[in-house]
Amino acid sequence: DQQVKQNSPSLSVQEGRISILNCDYTNSMFDYFLWYKKYPAEGPTFLISISSIKDKNEDGRFTVFLNKSAKHLSLHIVPSQPGDSAVYFCAASFSGNTPLVFGKGTRLSVIA
Amino acid sequence: ETGVTQSPTHLIKTRGQQVTLRCSSQSGHNTVSWYQQALGQGPQFIFQYYREEENGRGNFPPRFSGLQFPNYSSELNVNALELDDSALYLCASSLEGGAHQETQYFGPGTRLLVL
Repeated sequence: DQQVKQNSPSLSVQEGRISILNCDYTNSMFDYFLWYKKYPAEGPTFLISISSIKDKNEDGRFTVFLNKSAKHLSLHIVPSQPGDSAVYFCAASFSGNTPLVFGKGTRLSVIA
Repeated sequence: ETGVTQSPTHLIKTRGQQVTLRCSSQSGHNTVSWYQQALGQGPQFIFQYYREEENGRGNFPPRFSGLQFPNYSSELNVNALELDDSALYLCASSLEGGAHQETQYFGPGTRLLVL
């Protein structure tokens, strides 16, 4: 059973507009969440993270929002650029030395 | 500073065979985690090695085994290959057991096809 769910396999957005990628989780014990970006033939690269003690974390064009009561997080990219086209994975973990639990990913296409 | 490297990049095997995949961790990192990414799925944790000892294991059968060497490079061995083992195998290196998850660096992966 999937503990981290990304229900949209793909998303297309026009350049300059906002991209919103969503992620839901089922295990309320998760307390740290990350987003990774993956280009073809490359490994996932870390993008941004958020601890469960926060509800928002921002880094440049990327903002992650966490709604613990809904067990939902989202990644906002604004403005979207063609170079953002990639597969985005949401991942969750428990604090300390634990593995990451990934969602299935959402393929983002930013159209020029 | 060199990044995480994996070899080979691609591999084709037949059912029942054995395979060894290799990972060189980023300079200074003492922890390696292995993940399996099947087609259309997210990476799934196989196991982690920290200072040459297994330090956590996911829901994979014993025919998936690993090693970490004194230089912190690592191997993933899979015995008695099955068709469902076809996947991209990713390794990720980090420092001190990966407590800081964002400092986990992934290699490009080895794509294994089992026929």
